Parts: sequence; C-alpha cells; structure tokens
Amino acid sequence: AQSVTQLDSQVPVFEEAPVELRCNYSSSVSVYLFWYVQYPNQGLQLLLKYLSGSTLVKGINGFEAEFNKSQTSFHLRKPSVHISDTAEYFCAVSDKWGAQKLVFGQGTRLTINP
Amino acid sequence: KAGVTQTPRYLIKTRGQQVTLSCSPISGHRSVSWYQQTPGQGLQFLFEYFSETQRNKGNFPGRFSGRQFSNSRSEMNVSTLELGDSALYLCASSLSRGYNEQFFGPGTRLTVL
Repeated sequence: AQSVTQLDSQVPVFEEAPVELRCNYSSSVSVYLFWYVQYPNQGLQLLLKYLSGSTLVKGINGFEAEFNKSQTSFHLRKPSVHISDTAEYFCAVSDKWGAQKLVFGQGTRLTINP
Repeated sequence: KAGVTQTPRYLIKTRGQQVTLSCSPISGHRSVSWYQQTPGQGLQFLFEYFSETQRNKGNFPGRFSGRQFSNSRSEMNVSTLELGDSALYLCASSLSRGYNEQFFGPGTRLTVL
C-alpha cells in the first residue's frame, strides 16, 4: 500500500517570491507520482507527472518537481508565484499495476499575498 | 472537446435516502474512476470502471456502488445515506487502463441532512 504526506497544510508567500510545496511518499513498489491543483469549486487539474526517466519534471504554469528516490520525495517548486496560483495543491501516487487508483496527500493550501 | 461532466452539481438528501450521481467521460475515454473528497479524510479512491467492469475498488462499505454503460458513462449510487457521506464526489476519465492521464470533472457536492 502507498501513502503520501504533504508536510505543510498551508503555505503563505508573497507575489513573485519562490515557493516549494513538499511531498513525501511511502511505497514498497515502483510508483508514478503526480501533482494536481484544485481551484475553488472546481475539479482537479494535472500540473505534472513523473513516470520514469529524468528526475526533474516540468509542468504547466511554470511549475516543476524533482523526484528523489532515496528520500522518497517529490517536491513541487515555482521560482516566482502569481496571485492566480492561489489554490490547493495535491500530491498523489499510484503503483504501476493499478495506475488508475491514485492515493492523495492531504493537500497544501497555497496563498499568495500581494 | 468537451471535458468530463458530472450531474447534478449539487444535491441535498436526508439520512436513509439513496442517491445516484452521473459522470460522462471525455469522448473516447473508456476508463472512469470515482473519488470522494471530504475535509477530514481528504481525497479517497472509490472505484474504477473499464469496459463496463469494475477493475479496482477502494476501501468503502457496500453502500457505495457503481456501474458503467456501454457508452462509458458511469453512475455511482450510495444507499442508506449517512451524515458522513456529505462530500464532493469527483469523477475522472482516462483513455484506457494502465497509465493515461486522468481528467477530472467539477464534482457533485452532496449534502446529507
């Protein structure tokens, strides 16, 4: 079984500052890793995914994440945030055999202050 | 291309009733998964359907059930509603099984009184 821990439930940052949202996972098998964003009253939108290959993954809206197998982490970063990045961010994992079953972290609420 | 649609968007029911939620996947997508989102438990996988067959199931009681039709549309049913079933129910579709990106609908907000 997999589990995901998002280390910060809330992260406030100022506009144009860099941000890192932390995610650690636990799994006994190889996994796929994902970051999703949820805006108020909406569903989830995929930001980026790690399936294999390069450990640095680039996604939409200027976000990137780095897969670190030894530390079982998949932290999300953006060098300069915008007000429109205010949302809830979810890290998720699936094993390679049941790839439709996502296990999510508890979410990190990112608040951008002007 | 239209996205994943879910109906209704909002529902209010009372304890003991049953409810059916509907999900229409993106055209051509054959896999549909359902998730429950609550403030306390977060996002939890309910089940996945592919080719009208349940392929994967989460850890929910038998009151939660679903089905998929030949056109890939899916419904989920919750019987004997409890207060704790109040949640946002999200549907996601993907092209097929194995890894394909899952596209989420806007959800159905269920309130149980």
